Amino acid sequence: GQQLNQSPQSMFIQEGEDVSMNCTSSSIFNTWLWYKQDPGEGPVLLIALYKAGELTSNGRLTAQFGITRKDSFLNISASIPSDVGIYFCAGLPKRAGSYQLTFGKGTKLSVIP
Amino acid sequence: EAQVTQNPRYLITVTGKKLTVTCSQNMNHEYMSWYRQDPGLGLRQIYYSMNVEVTDKGDVPEGYKVSRKEKRNFPLILESPSPNQTSLYFCASSLQSRSTGELFFGEGSRLTVL
Repeated sequence: GQQLNQSPQSMFIQEGEDVSMNCTSSSIFNTWLWYKQDPGEGPVLLIALYKAGELTSNGRLTAQFGITRKDSFLNISASIPSDVGIYFCAGLPKRAGSYQLTFGKGTKLSVIP
Repeated sequence: EAQVTQNPRYLITVTGKKLTVTCSQNMNHEYMSWYRQDPGLGLRQIYYSMNVEVTDKGDVPEGYKVSRKEKRNFPLILESPSPNQTSLYFCASSLQSRSTGELFFGEGSRLTVL
């Protein structure tokens, strides 16, 4: 299947700091999504992006669909302890008849109070 | 409450003993899918279903079977489990058969095969 390179793999930050993570692919994607997995839970959708260049916010979270269609970014501002978890990027490739979502390997975020 | 329900949540079994992990959604979703999550490998798709009686392989289908006889249920069957199937499994669903990627996930089923 498609490969998504998500970085960083893990982050340790102080409460109140801003966080940035990104996802890149060698292929073009039609849709980019960001999910968060709390410890012991299933992933939950944070933000969905459907258009190249699109910038979308959800509270303190902002995500962007890269102009090249091959990357996406997630920023978290003023982190708080409940931001702890694993963040996954995911994409739907630009391929006729393809409805298989590909996930990155995740960014594990730890917030130090 | 809209949800995807998986059972069992935890299971320890032995090699070769057939098992089924059930998945049920109450949102009338057309699309359902199974993923496994392993450390360092993220979420990998096992099988998916775009509607009743329509199933297809994902990226790692070997050793698994699925069925979609009813819209709400999508069980994952391990006919002869092996230790390399020890993993955390997630069922997910989406409203449209042509998935937009907006998935609702269950809480996960942690399977250990000895």
